Amino acid sequence: QVQLVQSGAEVKKPGASVKVSCKASGYTFTGYYMHWVRQAPGQGLEWMGRINPNSGGTNYAQKFQGRVTMTRDTSISTAYMELSRLRSDDTAVYYCAREPFVVVVAASDYWGQGTLVTVSS
Amino acid sequence: DIQMTQSPSSLSASVGDRVTITCRASQSISSYLNWYQQKPGKAPKLLIYAASSLQSGVPSRFSGSGSGTDFTLTISSLQPEDFATYYCQQSYSTEFTFGPGTKVDIK
Repeated sequence: QVQLVQSGAEVKKPGASVKVSCKASGYTFTGYYMHWVRQAPGQGLEWMGRINPNSGGTNYAQKFQGRVTMTRDTSISTAYMELSRLRSDDTAVYYCAREPFVVVVAASDYWGQGTLVTVSS
Repeated sequence: DIQMTQSPSSLSASVGDRVTITCRASQSISSYLNWYQQKPGKAPKLLIYAASSLQSGVPSRFSGSGSGTDFTLTISSLQPEDFATYYCQQSYSTEFTFGPGTKVDIK
């Protein structure tokens, strides 16, 4: 069965970086985009970007350009999201979610369990 | 970037009610509109993709319609497990965006 298993909770200081992992299983990792979405406490969903695990190509939300880096390691079917220069308002649950390489679908059908990142001095 | 709005922001309804949530895009997005359900402490769940296609395993009481800039999610007969927050998402541009969400709670 399809599973996306994310790394554990993190506590970081302002100005630091965080790297969250998302290990995929149960499907062909290189056949689906991987998206990253975050949700601040009590707030809505915010799309951060996506990576094509096959090519490594990325699309980032303008808001995060220059601060976010999405990468992947196809040998272990794992995607990564690194966010730098952390601020307190980056405190959120970060989700990975896959999207099929089928243009007509263009939606995230499986999601990870979420990783809480807390930014606090 | 494409902005998404939803109305209402919240609603109270009873089991068995017909519920309609509206989503509007700031420009035409054809049918590249998805709907997700999220319950507290859980990851979002895909309900509808491409404006009107029901995701596998999702009950048929959920339906979606619309194209261009105006879209609707309808729950034909609200069930106890449907109390949640619903988000629309556009996937027309390379920068996907979500609506602010609609919280459905018990009247």
